[in-house]
Amino acid sequence: GQQVMQIPQYQHVQEGEDFTTYCNSSTTLSNIQWYKQRPGGHPVFLIQLVKSGEVKKQKRLTFQFGEAKKNSSLHITATQTTDVGTYFCAAAGSGNYQLIWGAGTKLIIKP
Amino acid sequence: ETGVTQSPTHLIKTRGQQVTLRCSSQSGHNTVSWYQQALGQGPQFIFQYYREEENGRGNFPPRFSGLQFPNYSSELNVNALELDDSALYLCASSPSGPLGTDTQYFGPGTRLTVL
Repeated sequence: GQQVMQIPQYQHVQEGEDFTTYCNSSTTLSNIQWYKQRPGGHPVFLIQLVKSGEVKKQKRLTFQFGEAKKNSSLHITATQTTDVGTYFCAAAGSGNYQLIWGAGTKLIIKP
Repeated sequence: ETGVTQSPTHLIKTRGQQVTLRCSSQSGHNTVSWYQQALGQGPQFIFQYYREEENGRGNFPPRFSGLQFPNYSSELNVNALELDDSALYLCASSPSGPLGTDTQYFGPGTRLTVL
């Protein structure tokens, strides 16, 4: 079935460094959504990308959707302790009624 | 907060038992999806209900079943519990119908432990 591959699994950064997570699919995606899950919490919707080559920004977060609509990335500039958590991408699956989720990238701030 | 509530927050059961988890959707949302999230993994889609009918199902056996009520609250039932059923169970409501393109609003989840 359809899969969304997300890398890396973990990323350790010093506070103030940048962070990037990538999602890839072998099939063309109709859309991609990004969620953040804090430790012990539940996923919280961040953004949805729909158009080929789309770039959206939310303060220090930049989201991109590839030209072929098969990959996406989330980049955080100058990480802060409040950014800690796991970032998931999710894309509409076959039949368009469910979200297929990546495995997530855990952002860890080094002490 | 999303306005989606789940109960109970934690639950401990033994193998072979049955469990019912409950979800109250955000007001006005007619679609609810249930997910299983094992530790360290992404959510896995169990099924979705739209206007009281199952609209789609992931790769879960029939012992996972659900209901959606006229007020759009819903239940997830799991029979014959197995150790691997230990996970965080999340429900998510969405406002615009059974589309994967719709934003999903998650509840806080129920942590189920099967001993």
